[in-house]
Amino acid sequence: GESVGLHLPTLSVQEGDNSIINCAYSNSASDYFIWYKQESGKGPQFIIDIRSNMDKRQGQRVTVLLNKTVKHLSLQIAATQPGDSAVYFCAENYGGSQGNLIFGKGTKLSVKP
Amino acid sequence: DVKVTQSSRYLVKRTGEKVFLECVQDMDHENMFWYRQDPGLGLRLIYFSYDVKMKEKGDIPEGYSVSREKKERFSLILESASTNQTSMYLCASRLAQRSYEQYFGPGTRLTVT
Repeated sequence: GESVGLHLPTLSVQEGDNSIINCAYSNSASDYFIWYKQESGKGPQFIIDIRSNMDKRQGQRVTVLLNKTVKHLSLQIAATQPGDSAVYFCAENYGGSQGNLIFGKGTKLSVKP
Repeated sequence: DVKVTQSSRYLVKRTGEKVFLECVQDMDHENMFWYRQDPGLGLRLIYFSYDVKMKEKGDIPEGYSVSREKKERFSLILESASTNQTSMYLCASRLAQRSYEQYFGPGTRLTVT
């Protein structure tokens, strides 16, 4: 999940297992959510997004689930690989016309070979 | 593919110096953003620009200014660098009206001594 402290929460998984990364968002009016992956020394890269009129969206090896009742978002990565090791963070839009994003603080995923 | 480039990957400056961080995108995006990223604090929006010569303050604009004279280029300026501005700076762009997705550059790690 997301952290308000100085240390990122860490998820450690075995190669080949499934990973679930959670995110609690803040604004009930947000209608768009996005997951980014950030590898060490690189800028964030888009993974998958979802609009609030959906509960689930699937990509290649990734699934995003949205629970608007409890304002919770999760990213599932199937058959996790060493190349998936990175920091993952979610973002929500403000819900307004500006379309700016509010970013979560991130979760560090470590994949053990 | 969208490409967002930043002028420097690593930069070391002294306290009181004026610092310019440059960002260029090659996809004719209207919106551009500057963030700083600090451990445990996530991405925080400094300034953004909807279009040429337009700028808006983000969440933490103090100590920074920006310039957008051409559509493809968005500059972040630290008028008088201070040690608390040591951080990773990320630039992003977005094609307005299409998606909330932002495309990020690789980042500039700035150290102020």
